[in-house]
Amino acid sequence: GENVEQHPSTLSVQEGDSAVIKCTYSDSASNYFPWYKQELGKGPQLIIDIRSNVGEKKDQRIAVTLNKTAKHFSLHITETQPEDSAVYFCAASMRMGNQGGKLIFGQGTELSVKP
Amino acid sequence: SAVISQKPSRDICQRGTSLTIQCQVDSQVTMMFWYRQQPGQSLTLIATANQGSEATYESGFVIDKFPISRPNLTFSTLTVSNMSPEDSSIYLCSVEVGETQYFGPGTRLLVL
Repeated sequence: GENVEQHPSTLSVQEGDSAVIKCTYSDSASNYFPWYKQELGKGPQLIIDIRSNVGEKKDQRIAVTLNKTAKHFSLHITETQPEDSAVYFCAASMRMGNQGGKLIFGQGTELSVKP
Repeated sequence: SAVISQKPSRDICQRGTSLTIQCQVDSQVTMMFWYRQQPGQSLTLIATANQGSEATYESGFVIDKFPISRPNLTFSTLTVSNMSPEDSSIYLCSVEVGETQYFGPGTRLLVL
């Protein structure tokens, strides 16, 4: 089955710097890759996602890149702010049409942005 | 999008007892999921619950321990049965709308 590895487990950056979190997946059939942000005491919230027919997607300060050949994808946060501090999870699934697939999550990255 | 609520938000239970967690969605959805998140860990899928059919359990999770009900398209329950301290976790309900899975706020369970 699918396995998702996520690095680093913790990341500390200064406010205004960039943060990069990397994930690798094992199943080449996976075609949907969402990223979730989980703040303390809350459920995960989707922040960005990418499908396998796209190499990069950007939404304001957040971007995700996908390398299908190498089976890895990354989250990039620019101009980090203290409110970006949270645990970030990557995930992978195989979607068929509009049908959902089981999400396999990475281990999580605890991001700390120091003012 | 979807707005999901869970009850209770947290509970402290004695070993050997059972707890039923409720999940309510503000719109009709076909697929609902239950996840477990052990302290400081990632999310692990327990089961998928579709209305009108039996829940599908993932490897390592069984119906006797985690019975699930899905009586309609906006509601589901997960019961954690005969609890032990190892069941202390956050239990999360999730629904799929379009391509996206949305998560509830979670139920924080501590078993003593």
